[in-house]
Amino acid sequence: NAGVTQTPKFRVLKTGQSMTLLCAQDMNHEYMYWYRQDPGMGLRLIHYSVGEGTTAKGEVPDGYNVSRLKKQNFLLGLESAAPSQTSVYFCAGSYDFSGNTIYFGEGSWLTVV
Amino acid sequence: KQEVTQIPAALSVPEGENLVLNCSFTDSAIYNLQWFRQDPGKGLTSLLLIQSSQREQTSGRLNASLDKSSGRSTLYIAASQPGDSATYLCAVRSGKLIFGQGTTLQVKP
Repeated sequence: NAGVTQTPKFRVLKTGQSMTLLCAQDMNHEYMYWYRQDPGMGLRLIHYSVGEGTTAKGEVPDGYNVSRLKKQNFLLGLESAAPSQTSVYFCAGSYDFSGNTIYFGEGSWLTVV
Repeated sequence: KQEVTQIPAALSVPEGENLVLNCSFTDSAIYNLQWFRQDPGKGLTSLLLIQSSQREQTSGRLNASLDKSSGRSTLYIAASQPGDSATYLCAVRSGKLIFGQGTTLQVKP
């Protein structure tokens, strides 16, 4: 039982490049989330999913796209990376939206130069 | 709009002290409140989850309380140890999960 796993853990991108962060979970979570964490800003929700095939915008969705083709995977895409997207990205999963603990991955450190 | 504030931003205490971390939120219409621990370079680990109908939760040396009406929660750590050094975040679920900015705790031997 690996829990919530993110790949890659570290990545350096040039401005304008694209990339995809993969989140995989083996806990049968219905809900999955992508957050970014920046100094002094706390964690902010980028996008989330309430089940396979669904996605929804969070607080800071601009510049990102997501897909949830399979229940166990939640992909976060950057189509044209910008320096403002330099951050630590966390994926998380939960069984429902209100009552249960949310489980986080270990984080992905992304630097855009 | 829900806002979550944690005070202080940083705290340094000698080993063995009992301490309290504070979390306040602006909208009392919440499903639950959760306390997390984050070690440097790591993800978040859930410590305690308090449902909106509950007043407190305990796990070992940790005790979290919730006062919805005043929009406050506290995390009490008893007999602090150097291994407790980390950043502690609270998050409230009211629709989405909204995080505070965290309190960075250092426990000195």
